[in-house]
Order: sequence, then C-alpha cells, then structure tokens
Amino acid sequence: QKEVEQNSGPLSVPEGAIASLNCTYSDRGSQSFFWYRQYSGKSPELIMSIYSNGDKEDGRFTAQLNKASQYVSLLIRDSQPSDSATYLCAVNKGRGSTLGRLYFGRGTQLTVWP
Amino acid sequence: SQTIHQWPATLVQPVGSPLSLECTVEGTSNPNLYWYRQAAGRGLQLLFYSVGIGQISSEVPQNLSASRPQDRQFILSSKKLLLSDSGFYLCAWSITPNTEAFFGQGTRLTVV
Repeated sequence: QKEVEQNSGPLSVPEGAIASLNCTYSDRGSQSFFWYRQYSGKSPELIMSIYSNGDKEDGRFTAQLNKASQYVSLLIRDSQPSDSATYLCAVNKGRGSTLGRLYFGRGTQLTVWP
Repeated sequence: SQTIHQWPATLVQPVGSPLSLECTVEGTSNPNLYWYRQAAGRGLQLLFYSVGIGQISSEVPQNLSASRPQDRQFILSSKKLLLSDSGFYLCAWSITPNTEAFFGQGTRLTVV
C-alpha cells in the first residue's frame, strides 16, 4: 500500500469553476499534511499546510482534513488558467522512528481552460 | 529570510561516472534536510532525510549515498551512475521534522 495516494487525473475544468483534488494516506498516526503545486519543469511550491481536522481557507484555496477517514482534499475556487499545474499531496508521519519522513503522492494534473 | 541553493541546474553524465550534488540552506539553524528524486512523469521519491549533522536516514536502498558535513549542507553522491539514476533531483528543508518543506530549484540529471 502506498503511503499517499491521489485521485487519478488528469482533471480538466473551465475557468471560474471549482477544482477538487483528493488524497488518502495509509498511516493513521500521520501528523501534518500539505499541498504543493508543481509547474512543468519546476520544483514544487507550497500552497497549503493543514494540521488539524476541518477546513482551512487561504484565498481561493481550501484544504480539508479528515483524520478519521485518512483523507485530505484541496478545493480551488474560481479556477484560473494560471492554476494549470500538477498538484501534489504530501504527508508527514511525524512520530517515533518515522519522524521527519515526508511522503508525496504522484500528483494530479489540473488543466483550467479559458 | 531563509533560502536554499542547489546546484548545478542541469547535468549530463556518462554511465559509470561519479556524482556529487550539493545543497545549502541559509538563514536558519539545524534544518531538517531532504533529497528527493522525480523520474519523468512520476511522483517525488524520498531518498534521504536528515534531522541533524551525522543523522541521515536512507529511505530506499540504491546506488546513492548522502552526507551532511555541515549543519546547513547536504550532499548527494554516487560512485558509479546507472542509466536508471536519471531524473530530477530535489533538495528541500524544513524548520522542524513536522512542518512544511521548501524546495530548491532542482538538478536535472541525465545519465547517458
């Protein structure tokens, strides 16, 4: 079982729509969760961090965490063509011998068309 | 503010040649450091991570090794490169083991 799994893409939405990206993780003891955006040929850049159950909003982005279901999601409202990129979910186990191990999903490619 | 430097940006190396990639972080002390590899069209594979000098954990046994000779310096090495070592190598740092990581610009390695 993979540490972090993301819903298979690619995902294509029209400009102005809501894009929904999902992620599940295997270790119930995981402590911290992140979403990164990666443009083609570039390194990942951090979009959101979330550490506790519930929603966290930052501008057009909302991250949602449900530890009981081991599920993390990212909603992008009012999607723009500039949001077209690969979105990576990352999970940090954060305890014991696995402290510090940050695992990534394979990513979901999002295309926002005008 | 903190910055991370990774070089070189691109590298073409013959099979069997050695490798040394360097990463340094400025503006913080005792960072958590990571090396990742991203093969074409694939996700990020954690190779090594370090919570301090002399403390390096290897995630996947392979043809690579890592060292942390100074607090803010992380080096990825290989004695003999294989074709399968080609990929996008990324160094990252975090303030603590449980917080978000920030990436360098990456090194695109092609083994020929």
